Amino acid sequence: SQTIHQWPATLVQPVGSPLSLECTVEGTSNPNLYWYRQAAGRGLQLLFYSVGIGQISSEVPQNLSASRPQDRQFILSSKKLLLSDSGFYLCAWSVSYNSPLHFGNGTRLTVT
Amino acid sequence: AQSVTQPDIHITVSEGASLELRCNYSYGATPYLFWYVQSPGQGLQLLLKYFSGDTLVQGIKGFEAEFKRSQSSFNLRKPSVHWSDAAEYFCAVGAPESQGNLIFGKGTKLSVKP
Repeated sequence: SQTIHQWPATLVQPVGSPLSLECTVEGTSNPNLYWYRQAAGRGLQLLFYSVGIGQISSEVPQNLSASRPQDRQFILSSKKLLLSDSGFYLCAWSVSYNSPLHFGNGTRLTVT
Repeated sequence: AQSVTQPDIHITVSEGASLELRCNYSYGATPYLFWYVQSPGQGLQLLLKYFSGDTLVQGIKGFEAEFKRSQSSFNLRKPSVHWSDAAEYFCAVGAPESQGNLIFGKGTKLSVKP
Protein backbone atom coordinates (compact mmCIF):
# COMPACT_ATOMS: atom_id res chain seq x y z
CA SER A 1 0.00 0.00 0.00
CA GLN A 2 1.02 3.59 -0.49
CA THR A 3 2.39 5.67 2.36
CA ILE A 4 3.60 9.21 2.69
CA HIS A 5 6.24 10.35 5.13
CA GLN A 6 6.79 13.93 6.11
CA TRP A 7 9.38 15.24 8.55
CA PRO A 8 10.08 16.76 10.90
CA ALA A 9 6.76 16.90 12.74
CA THR A 10 7.63 20.16 14.47
CA LEU A 11 10.30 22.73 13.88
CA VAL A 12 11.27 25.99 15.55
CA GLN A 13 13.61 28.18 13.55
CA PRO A 14 14.88 31.74 13.98
CA VAL A 15 14.14 34.43 11.43
CA GLY A 16 16.73 34.42 8.66
CA SER A 17 17.66 30.77 9.02
CA PRO A 18 17.29 28.25 6.17
CA LEU A 19 14.56 25.65 5.91
CA SER A 20 14.30 22.19 4.46
CA LEU A 21 11.20 20.03 4.83
CA GLU A 22 11.16 16.63 3.22
CA CYS A 23 8.39 14.43 1.97
CA THR A 24 8.62 10.97 0.48
CA VAL A 25 6.00 8.66 -0.94
CA GLU A 26 6.24 4.89 -1.03
CA GLY A 27 4.29 2.30 -2.97
CA THR A 28 3.53 4.27 -6.11
CA SER A 29 5.38 5.61 -9.13
CA ASN A 30 5.31 9.04 -10.72
CA PRO A 31 2.83 10.55 -8.29
CA ASN A 32 1.69 14.14 -8.44
CA LEU A 33 3.18 15.85 -5.38
CA TYR A 34 1.98 18.93 -3.54
CA TRP A 35 2.96 21.30 -0.77
CA TYR A 36 0.18 23.09 1.07
CA ARG A 37 0.36 25.59 3.90
CA GLN A 38 -2.37 25.88 6.46
CA ALA A 39 -2.80 29.00 8.57
CA ALA A 40 -5.42 29.26 11.29
CA GLY A 41 -8.80 30.24 9.90
CA ARG A 42 -7.50 30.47 6.36
CA GLY A 43 -7.86 26.95 5.05
CA LEU A 44 -5.24 25.33 2.90
CA GLN A 45 -3.14 27.26 0.44
CA LEU A 46 -1.45 25.41 -2.38
CA LEU A 47 2.21 26.41 -2.55
CA PHE A 48 3.78 24.09 -5.11
CA TYR A 49 2.90 21.06 -7.15
CA SER A 50 4.90 18.69 -9.30
CA VAL A 51 3.84 16.23 -11.97
CA GLY A 52 7.32 14.78 -12.47
CA ILE A 53 11.00 14.91 -11.56
CA GLY A 54 12.34 18.42 -11.90
CA GLN A 55 8.91 19.82 -12.80
CA ILE A 56 7.75 22.35 -10.23
CA SER A 57 4.86 24.76 -10.49
CA SER A 58 4.47 27.58 -8.02
CA GLU A 59 1.05 28.85 -7.14
CA VAL A 60 1.95 31.75 -4.90
CA PRO A 61 4.98 34.05 -5.03
CA GLN A 62 6.77 33.78 -1.74
CA ASN A 63 9.92 33.20 0.19
CA LEU A 64 9.82 29.45 -0.42
CA SER A 65 10.96 27.08 -3.14
CA ALA A 66 10.41 23.41 -3.90
CA SER A 67 12.41 20.71 -5.58
CA ARG A 68 11.80 17.16 -6.71
CA PRO A 69 15.17 15.47 -7.00
CA GLN A 70 13.68 11.97 -7.19
CA ASP A 71 10.39 10.56 -8.37
CA ARG A 72 8.92 10.16 -4.90
CA GLN A 73 10.73 12.90 -3.01
CA PHE A 74 9.52 16.46 -2.63
CA ILE A 75 11.43 19.10 -0.71
CA LEU A 76 10.29 22.50 0.51
CA SER A 77 13.06 25.01 1.16
CA SER A 78 13.83 28.55 2.08
CA LYS A 79 17.13 30.38 2.18
CA LYS A 80 15.97 32.86 4.84
CA LEU A 81 12.83 32.33 6.87
CA LEU A 82 10.42 35.14 7.65
CA LEU A 83 8.05 35.35 10.60
CA SER A 84 5.19 35.04 8.12
CA ASP A 85 6.45 31.61 7.08
CA SER A 86 5.14 30.14 10.32
CA GLY A 87 2.35 27.66 9.78
CA PHE A 88 1.40 24.05 9.29
CA TYR A 89 2.89 22.57 6.13
CA LEU A 90 1.30 19.58 4.49
CA CYS A 91 2.69 17.38 1.78
CA ALA A 92 0.29 15.40 -0.36
CA TRP A 93 0.29 13.07 -3.34
CA SER A 94 -2.19 11.85 -5.89
CA VAL A 95 -2.15 9.24 -8.63
CA SER A 96 -3.54 11.55 -11.25
CA TYR A 97 -5.48 14.74 -11.70
CA ASN A 98 -8.84 13.14 -10.99
CA SER A 99 -7.89 11.15 -7.94
CA PRO A 100 -7.98 12.26 -4.32
CA LEU A 101 -5.08 13.79 -2.48
CA HIS A 102 -3.43 11.79 0.27
CA PHE A 103 -1.83 13.88 2.96
CA GLY A 104 1.12 13.46 5.26
CA ASN A 105 0.83 14.28 8.93
CA GLY A 106 2.22 17.77 8.47
CA THR A 107 5.04 19.87 9.88
CA ARG A 108 4.34 22.61 12.40
CA LEU A 109 6.85 25.37 11.65
CA THR A 110 7.32 28.22 14.10
CA VAL A 111 9.61 31.04 13.08
CA THR A 112 10.81 33.08 16.05
CA ALA B 1 -11.59 29.66 -11.69
CA GLN B 2 -13.16 27.41 -9.16
CA SER B 3 -13.81 28.40 -5.56
CA VAL B 4 -15.28 26.84 -2.45
CA THR B 5 -17.28 28.37 0.36
CA GLN B 6 -17.97 26.79 3.71
CA PRO B 7 -20.35 29.25 5.36
CA ASP B 8 -20.07 27.87 8.88
CA ILE B 9 -16.80 28.42 10.69
CA HIS B 10 -17.80 26.53 13.83
CA ILE B 11 -20.71 24.21 14.57
CA THR B 12 -21.61 22.54 17.85
CA VAL B 13 -23.95 19.56 17.97
CA SER B 14 -24.95 17.16 20.69
CA GLU B 15 -23.76 13.59 20.54
CA GLY B 16 -26.35 11.49 18.77
CA ALA B 17 -27.79 14.43 16.87
CA SER B 18 -27.73 14.71 13.11
CA LEU B 19 -25.17 16.82 11.32
CA GLU B 20 -25.06 18.76 8.09
CA LEU B 21 -22.02 20.76 7.01
CA ARG B 22 -22.52 23.09 4.11
CA CYS B 23 -20.33 23.52 1.07
CA ASN B 24 -20.93 25.64 -2.00
CA TYR B 25 -18.68 25.74 -4.99
CA SER B 26 -18.20 27.87 -8.04
CA TYR B 27 -17.23 26.19 -11.28
CA GLY B 28 -18.55 26.27 -14.83
CA ALA B 29 -18.88 22.52 -15.30
CA THR B 30 -19.24 19.58 -12.99
CA PRO B 31 -16.23 19.58 -10.72
CA TYR B 32 -14.64 16.86 -8.70
CA LEU B 33 -15.76 17.30 -5.11
CA PHE B 34 -14.21 16.05 -1.91
CA TRP B 35 -14.69 16.17 1.84
CA TYR B 36 -11.71 15.81 4.13
CA VAL B 37 -11.47 15.64 7.90
CA GLN B 38 -8.57 16.87 10.01
CA SER B 39 -7.93 16.08 13.65
CA PRO B 40 -5.79 18.58 15.59
CA GLY B 41 -2.16 18.51 14.56
CA GLN B 42 -2.75 15.89 11.91
CA GLY B 43 -2.95 15.70 8.16
CA LEU B 44 -6.20 15.49 6.24
CA GLN B 45 -8.07 12.26 5.71
CA LEU B 46 -10.41 11.74 2.77
CA LEU B 47 -14.02 11.10 3.82
CA LEU B 48 -15.62 10.84 0.41
CA LYS B 49 -15.47 12.05 -3.16
CA TYR B 50 -17.78 12.78 -6.06
CA PHE B 51 -16.71 12.55 -9.67
CA SER B 52 -19.87 11.63 -11.54
CA GLY B 53 -22.91 9.36 -11.40
CA ASP B 54 -25.05 8.92 -8.32
CA THR B 55 -25.34 12.29 -6.63
CA LEU B 56 -25.51 10.76 -3.15
CA VAL B 57 -22.12 9.41 -2.17
CA GLN B 58 -21.24 7.35 0.84
CA GLY B 59 -17.99 7.76 2.68
CA ILE B 60 -16.12 6.41 5.63
CA LYS B 61 -17.19 6.76 9.27
CA GLY B 62 -20.88 6.88 8.35
CA PHE B 63 -20.71 10.15 6.41
CA GLU B 64 -22.52 10.88 3.18
CA ALA B 65 -22.74 13.88 0.88
CA GLU B 66 -25.15 14.94 -1.80
CA PHE B 67 -24.19 16.79 -4.95
CA LYS B 68 -26.84 19.27 -6.02
CA ARG B 69 -25.97 20.89 -9.31
CA SER B 70 -28.84 23.38 -9.19
CA GLN B 71 -27.60 24.71 -5.86
CA SER B 72 -23.88 24.29 -6.54
CA SER B 73 -23.68 22.48 -3.24
CA PHE B 74 -22.06 19.39 -1.81
CA ASN B 75 -23.23 19.19 1.79
CA LEU B 76 -21.86 16.61 4.18
CA ARG B 77 -24.25 14.73 6.45
CA LYS B 78 -24.23 12.21 9.23
CA PRO B 79 -27.39 10.91 10.90
CA SER B 80 -25.91 10.48 14.38
CA VAL B 81 -22.76 12.23 15.51
CA HIS B 82 -20.24 10.56 17.80
CA TRP B 83 -17.88 12.40 20.12
CA SER B 84 -14.98 11.16 18.00
CA ASP B 85 -16.31 13.15 15.04
CA ALA B 86 -15.12 16.38 16.64
CA ALA B 87 -12.59 17.73 14.14
CA GLU B 88 -12.27 20.22 11.32
CA TYR B 89 -13.91 19.43 8.02
CA PHE B 90 -12.80 20.73 4.66
CA CYS B 91 -14.66 20.73 1.38
CA ALA B 92 -12.53 20.81 -1.76
CA VAL B 93 -13.15 21.19 -5.47
CA GLY B 94 -11.02 20.13 -8.39
CA ALA B 95 -11.27 20.45 -12.11
CA PRO B 96 -9.87 18.30 -14.93
CA GLU B 97 -7.67 21.08 -16.22
CA SER B 98 -6.17 21.86 -12.83
CA GLN B 99 -3.59 19.05 -12.74
CA GLY B 100 -5.16 17.66 -9.62
CA ASN B 101 -4.79 20.84 -7.65
CA LEU B 102 -7.65 21.13 -5.25
CA ILE B 103 -9.15 24.34 -3.99
CA PHE B 104 -10.11 24.02 -0.35
CA GLY B 105 -12.72 25.82 1.68
CA LYS B 106 -11.64 27.45 4.91
CA GLY B 107 -13.04 24.63 6.96
CA THR B 108 -15.77 24.06 9.51
CA LYS B 109 -14.78 23.14 13.02
CA LEU B 110 -17.16 20.64 14.59
CA SER B 111 -17.55 20.42 18.35
CA VAL B 112 -19.62 17.64 19.92
CA LYS B 113 -21.41 18.12 23.23
CA PRO B 114 -21.83 15.06 25.46
